[in-house]
Parts: sequence; C-alpha cells; structure tokens
Amino acid sequence: DTAVSQTPKYLVTQMGNDKSIKCEQNLGHDTMYWYKQDSKKFLKIMFSYNNKELIINETVPNRFSPKSPDKAHLNLHINSLELGDSAVYFCASSQWDSNTEAFFGQGTRLTVV
Amino acid sequence: AQSVAQPEDQVNVAEGNPLTVKCTYSVSGNPYLFWYVQYPNRGLQFLLKYITGDNLVKGSYGFEAEFNKSQTSFHLKKPSALVSDSALYFCAVRDDGGGGFKTIFGAGTRLFVKA
Repeated sequence: DTAVSQTPKYLVTQMGNDKSIKCEQNLGHDTMYWYKQDSKKFLKIMFSYNNKELIINETVPNRFSPKSPDKAHLNLHINSLELGDSAVYFCASSQWDSNTEAFFGQGTRLTVV
Repeated sequence: AQSVAQPEDQVNVAEGNPLTVKCTYSVSGNPYLFWYVQYPNRGLQFLLKYITGDNLVKGSYGFEAEFNKSQTSFHLKKPSALVSDSALYFCAVRDDGGGGFKTIFGAGTRLFVKA
C-alpha cells in the first residue's frame, strides 16, 4: 500500500483554468504538507496542516487554497492557473513532533500551457 | 531564522570511492537535521536524521552523517559509493521550537557516481 498518494501524477492544463490535486496518507500521521519544487529542484513549503487546522501558510498567492477534510487528506485547489505555476507539487505527512521525518508522495507534475 | 546551505550543486565520485555531500545549517534553537534522497520522477525518501546523542548517525543504504555543532555542519557520507547512489540529495533542518513546524530544505546536491 502506498503511504502517501497523490493524484493525478501528471496534469497539463491551460492558463486560466482551475485544477485540484488530491493527497491521502494511510500512515496515521496528524500533520500534512504541500511543497512546490521548481525547475531547479528547489523545494519550498507552501502549507502545513495539523489535525485539519492550517498551521503554516507561506507567501503563496491566494489562488492556491488547501483543504483538509480530515487528517488523512490534504487537497490543493488552484484557481486561475498561470504559466509560473508549472512545477512539481509534493504532498507529505509526518507526526507533529519536530524530530520526526516526513513521508513524501510521488509528486504531481503540473504543466500550464 | 532557519537556513540550510548545500554548497555544491553536484558531486562527482567514482564507484567504490568514499563520498561526502556537504551541508551547513543555521537555527535559533537546537537543530533537528535530516537527509533525504530523490530519485528521478520520485518523491523524497528519508535517509537519516540527527536529533540528539551520538554525533555520528547511520541511515539507509549504508549512508551516515556527522553532526558537528561547532561548525554547524551535517555532512552526508558513504565509505564506498555505488552507481545506484546517483540521485539528488537534500539536507533539511527544523528547530526544536515546537512540533510540526516547517522544515527548511537545502537547494539539493546532485550526486553522480561513475562506474
């Protein structure tokens, strides 16, 4: 069983469209994250949720809206997609404790054309 | 503010030789340090971490890392590199200010092991 699963794996869409990426973890973790990896492989945190509560909200355009229906799911909705949104988006999960490692999904490669 | 530096974009090593991937960090409190590896078209995989205790920590696939508080470093090492070790390696840091707070990742170092 996949520990952290994201769908879709690839997403190609036109500018201006709205799209969602789904993430689910079956590890029993209470904290989930969205990271963005750009073309230079730089990894930056976007959001963090703990038990469905938003904990970290980095300087991300408000076109990006995370939603956590329960602590096993963290979805990412993106409105009015722009060319610069093209990247690989990773979902991850961990326990709340600072000393625990994160488990990552395989990523969603978003291409905006 | 937390920060992580990986000074080398790429490290090249011959198979069978020892490898080192460098990482230095800055945190306000005590550091929790992690190494992750990313293979092509895959998510990051945890390799090892330093929380407290012995400065030399051992992890997956024969990797180890040494925590050096005075030099604020956490270099990743392996005594004998394999071609299959070729991947992108990320150092990450989190301080002990509270649970679940954000982990800061370095820019990544691409390791290339030549047969």
